[in-house]
Amino acid sequence: GAVVSQHPSRVICKSGTSVKIECRSLDFQATTMFWYRQFPKQSLMLMATSNEGSKATYEQGVEKDKFLINHASLTLSTLTVTSAHPEDSSFYICSANPGLGGTDTQYFGPGTRLTVL
Amino acid sequence: GQQVMQIPQYQHVQEGEDFTTYCNSSTTLSNIQWYKQRPGGHPVFLIQLVKSGEVKKQKRLTFQFGEAKKNSSLHITATQTTDVGTYFCAGADSSNTGKLIFGQGTTLQVKP
Repeated sequence: GAVVSQHPSRVICKSGTSVKIECRSLDFQATTMFWYRQFPKQSLMLMATSNEGSKATYEQGVEKDKFLINHASLTLSTLTVTSAHPEDSSFYICSANPGLGGTDTQYFGPGTRLTVL
Repeated sequence: GQQVMQIPQYQHVQEGEDFTTYCNSSTTLSNIQWYKQRPGGHPVFLIQLVKSGEVKKQKRLTFQFGEAKKNSSLHITATQTTDVGTYFCAGADSSNTGKLIFGQGTTLQVKP
């Protein structure tokens, strides 16, 4: 149980285009999902908390107009990188918490590797 | 803001040697979690520690949570090549947001 999928797994795009990444909880409902960014050989940096039915909560320094988050259902959150630039190239990972027994355990998707040319 | 420091950043060991990574938080945590990320992969949940002084074992892995709930360690006995990867600790504060703050990770290399 507690499987999270992400699509696409890899995307290459031109500078200035927008890219949408989907995060799905396959066997549980998640009112909260989290979006992280990981640069090579670095740790995971939390970008935002995605809340079903309400606005996402962004971490300090993360531009909400550039990284649009939509949590339209209890099993799907999307992250759209708008007007992508080469410096946005990174590994984007989502996670979800099944909320079982009040624990904070997060289950991660396989990640999306974004390369902006 | 809350910070979670993890050391060492890298560790190279000979197969069969032991390995330990340490995690320290600037604030008291409600719980701490450990994840393993293989090269090219995503973080995989290993364990969660909740109680002060808690010790949990998973085969050759031993996890400890400090008495003050501000530090933790992961110890691997007799490393194997399959242990290769980056081990992250992640602290949950008491704000009940579900947010985790990740340490920098310790990358383990095991020489056969």
